[in-house]
Parts: sequence; C-alpha cells; structure tokens
Amino acid sequence: GNSVTQMEGPVTLSEEAFLTINCTYTATGYPSLFWYVQYPGEGLQLLLKATKADDKGSNKGFEATYRKETTSFHLEKGSVQVSDSAVYFCALSARGANSKLTFGKGITLSVRP
Amino acid sequence: GAGVSQSPSNKVTEKGKDVELRCDPISGHTALYWYRQSLGQGLEFLIYFQGNSAPDKSGLPSDRFSAERTGGSVSTLTIQRTQQEDSAVYLCASSKDTGVYDTQYFGPGTRLTVL
Repeated sequence: GNSVTQMEGPVTLSEEAFLTINCTYTATGYPSLFWYVQYPGEGLQLLLKATKADDKGSNKGFEATYRKETTSFHLEKGSVQVSDSAVYFCALSARGANSKLTFGKGITLSVRP
Repeated sequence: GAGVSQSPSNKVTEKGKDVELRCDPISGHTALYWYRQSLGQGLEFLIYFQGNSAPDKSGLPSDRFSAERTGGSVSTLTIQRTQQEDSAVYLCASSKDTGVYDTQYFGPGTRLTVL
C-alpha cells in the first residue's frame, strides 16, 4: 500500500538556521506530493505541492522537489523564523485511490530566537 | 471566502454515548473527506464523498462509525457507542474535485474526548 515516512522529531533550531525535513514515500503509480503545516492552535494548511517528477513546490521561503528516482520530497528553507514553529506533515495522493491523502507522522519544529 | 467549518469545536462525551460531528465544506466543492488525528495513529483517512457516487468507506475503523452527506454539501460523521480509543481530533476537508492535483482544504477540526 501507500505510505509516507518522515524523519523523527522534534527539531529545534535557532532563528536563521537552515532547515531540512526528510520525507520518503512508497506508492503505486505516480502520486502527487504535499507538505501540510499545522501552526499552534490552527488547522492544517497546504504549504506546497508537486504533481510530477522534478517539479519544485515553493511557498513562504520553503521548497521541496519531487524526486522520483529516490522517492523523496524533502522540505527545505534557507533561513527559518520563529513564526515557522509548527508541525509539518508530508503527504501523498495516489491515482486510483480516490485522491485520499496518506500522511506521514508529522514532525514538530521549534525555532528559538 | 469562507473555508471549511466544523462543529462542535470540542465534544466531551461518556463512553457508550453516540456523537454527531458536522462539516460544512467550501461552497462548490464536490469532494469531501473525513480524517482522524490521534496521538497513536497520526492522521488517517476515514471516508470520502464525491457528488452522488457511493462513498468510499474503506478507512472507517469499525461499524460504529458512519457518515452521510446531504444534498451534496453538509456532512455528518456519527460515532455510536463511543469508546475511549475514539478520542481524537476529527478533521474534515473538501476539494473541487477528486483529481490527484486538487488541493484539499481542511477545517479546524472537532476534538472528541470520550471519558
């Protein structure tokens, strides 16, 4: 079946540090890939997405590239801010599966001033 | 515009009681999904509706769980004879269609606590 694996957390960084959150997936067919973010006290929001190999999704300074050869979709940001503190979920949507999202376990990011 | 809304935001119930959770999707969105977010299981799919098609119930954990969608809009998730393991945040999402390219927009969730 389909699955998403995220690196273990939590992650604590200082402001302006470089961020990488690893995500790998297993899926039948050719899925679309997503990063969702959940800020404290808020609902899940789409951060970025990519729908085909080598696509780069980007938003709010975050980027992730769809790597079919390594089945990965790692999230990166060059300089994190305190306001980026949140829980980040990697997810996929596979064809033939009613587009339901399969999520990774999520990782908590804390950015200290 | 208005996003996905859910009610109630919090629900505390006693073991064995029935509960109903409501979701109002974004106007014009034909696809509606329910997910559950719990500490032990993470985020998991429960059920999906698309137009007048039969719902995909493959994620429902037991026959105590059911859902309906009236008039292609509002959806209600019902849990009968609640158990403590049902405690979780129940999330509703909607999208314009069911293509894998479509973005699902999530509501704020209903936090269910079963005592």
